[in-house]
Amino acid sequence: ILNVEQSPQSLHVQEGDSTNFTCSFPSSNFYALHWYRWETAKSPEALFVMTLNGDEKKKGRISATLNTKEGYSYLYIKGSQPEDSATYLCASLWDMGRRALTFGSGTRLQVQP
Amino acid sequence: GAGVSQTPSNKVTEKGKYVELRCDPISGHTALYWYRQSLGQGPEFLIYFQGTGAADDSGLPNDRFFAVRPEGSVSTLKIQRTERGDSAVYLCASSLGTGGFGGYTFGSGTRLTVV
Repeated sequence: ILNVEQSPQSLHVQEGDSTNFTCSFPSSNFYALHWYRWETAKSPEALFVMTLNGDEKKKGRISATLNTKEGYSYLYIKGSQPEDSATYLCASLWDMGRRALTFGSGTRLQVQP
Repeated sequence: GAGVSQTPSNKVTEKGKYVELRCDPISGHTALYWYRQSLGQGPEFLIYFQGTGAADDSGLPNDRFFAVRPEGSVSTLKIQRTERGDSAVYLCASSLGTGGFGGYTFGSGTRLTVV
């Protein structure tokens, strides 16, 4: 069984703080790594899809990096805002067996105003 | 449609009853996925379709669960003899192809409660 692990499970920060989360995954036969934001009562929304070792993606104040050789990805949020409060999910796809994403348990971020 | 639509949004059923959950994916998306999310967990894979066929159903927990996608668009997840442990949010997603390079587009989910 291929597992995706995320840490921390939850995080409380103050508005304006910068923060980061970790996603780790088996590096063998790696195909793609996705990050999603899931706000309460809404659908999970795709943030980034990364495939290449060393990939860095950015969307506004949020960015992500990928290390496929060691099997980890970091998500960074610069200057957190209350609207960033959500669960951040990462998911990986491997070029073998199941061709559907395997998700981690998520990091629940709460940004206090 | 413009997004992935799931109906109903909420379903309360009695233990032992049969339920059907519907997913209407984005038009033209050939890949469709069902996931289940229990409290405190990430989405757990159930089944994925490529076109009309179930390409991987290895995540279905037992033979009470079944899903179809007869015309390659709308999919129905069917659960027989529901149990309290089936209570969860059932998420459907679709993508262009199975590489998911554009990401999956998710519906809002069906919250199933078995009492």
